Amino acid sequence: EIVMTQSPATLSVSPGDGATLSCRASQTIRNNLAWYQQRPGQAPRLLIYGATTRAIGIPARFSGSGSGTEFTLTISSLQSEDFAVYYCQQYSDWLPLTFGGGTKVEIK
Amino acid sequence: EVRLVQSAAEVKKPGESLRISCKASGYSFTYYYIAWVRHMPGKGLECMGIIYPDDSDTRYSPSFQGQVTISADKSLSTAYLQWNSLRASDTAMYYCARVRALDGIDYWGQGTLVTVSS
Repeated sequence: EIVMTQSPATLSVSPGDGATLSCRASQTIRNNLAWYQQRPGQAPRLLIYGATTRAIGIPARFSGSGSGTEFTLTISSLQSEDFAVYYCQQYSDWLPLTFGGGTKVEIK
Repeated sequence: EVRLVQSAAEVKKPGESLRISCKASGYSFTYYYIAWVRHMPGKGLECMGIIYPDDSDTRYSPSFQGQVTISADKSLSTAYLQWNSLRASDTAMYYCARVRALDGIDYWGQGTLVTVSS
């Protein structure tokens, strides 16, 4: 099983500031990585797939980078609706598909 | 528009059986995998298994093998997650999600809250 590790667990950010979230895979997953946003009481929403490609309708302030085992989600100029929990997920090995433990982005 | 609509919340007692559903619309249900994902209170997301509706090929994550049954009915464009004997530790939100072969999960259902309590 590929283990996904996210850091930090919690990130305190002021509105308008940027945020950088990290995700590490226990073995190479090439670019088979997605990022999801989950707001309280809602289902997760796809933000990024293929490590760098924004999903339809996702604002340009969200960007993904990395390949192999190290990945980053960058949010520039956080808006109020961006305070949520973010998960990375690998789909290089489907048995099982695995998620990181999540990073909560909270208002500073 | 792709939609995955899940069945309503359930409250059950330990030992009872349960089947929850996920009805797909807006795309060809047969040709995309469906995953079931567990979200326990205060925890992260866990993929329980996946099914390919066209031939019902089902793969379970090791942690969930033998604990649940995943199935699909092509004629109803609906996937199911079933327990034969619930435990309190099954209390969680359960999501179905569509999986693209090359790009992973792209659409999620709204979730079904399952509460198991005596």
